[in-house]
Amino acid sequence: AQKITQTQPGMFVQEKEAVTLDCTYDTSDQSYGLFWYKQPSSGEMIFLIYQGSYDEQNATEGRYSLNFQKARKSANLVISASQLGDSAMYFCAMRGGNKLVFGAGTILRVKS
Amino acid sequence: NAGVTQTPKFQVLKTGQSMTLQCAQDMNHEYMSWYRQDPGMGLRLIHYSVGAGITDQGEVPNGYNVSRSTTEDFPLRLLSAAPSQTSVYFCASSYLTGGFTEAFFGQGTRLTVV
Repeated sequence: AQKITQTQPGMFVQEKEAVTLDCTYDTSDQSYGLFWYKQPSSGEMIFLIYQGSYDEQNATEGRYSLNFQKARKSANLVISASQLGDSAMYFCAMRGGNKLVFGAGTILRVKS
Repeated sequence: NAGVTQTPKFQVLKTGQSMTLQCAQDMNHEYMSWYRQDPGMGLRLIHYSVGAGITDQGEVPNGYNVSRSTTEDFPLRLLSAAPSQTSVYFCASSYLTGGFTEAFFGQGTRLTVV
């Protein structure tokens, strides 16, 4: 069975600093995808970044990068130069086979 | 671009009542799914479908039914609502073929069972 673990219920970061949100996963599939979504207080789900299990390079999208360590089964999200608008809930998710499963989420608060 | 449309946005039910949450997508996605979001538990998969006529259970299927008669629609039925089903429900869709692709979400339905 697939499982996503996010061990940080909440995080604080100073504006303009970088922050890492942790995500570990468990799967027996060889082919899978890892995703990060942002959920602001308004409630919508916003796709941020994707990493495939066979991708050798870490994915990057603007200020977001995914630190993919396959042997450790981790897929941490790094947000560089944090902005006040980054304050939100962040979910790590994994697709293996036909299921897309999510972790419990991490609430990030950016301080000015 | 409509994307994924969920209705209603808000609903209050009495214990024992039944209702259907509607979900429609106009992107010709094969994959559709329903999640519930509860504080501290993230999004938990209720049911999912990989195409018309094909559905399967997720992590928390009890008390919910689904069907997929068309590619576009994937309604979620609560058979006999219970207070434990008070939650925010999200519908999501994505392509299945051509590699892994992001899931697109509806705006969510906030359901309260009293």
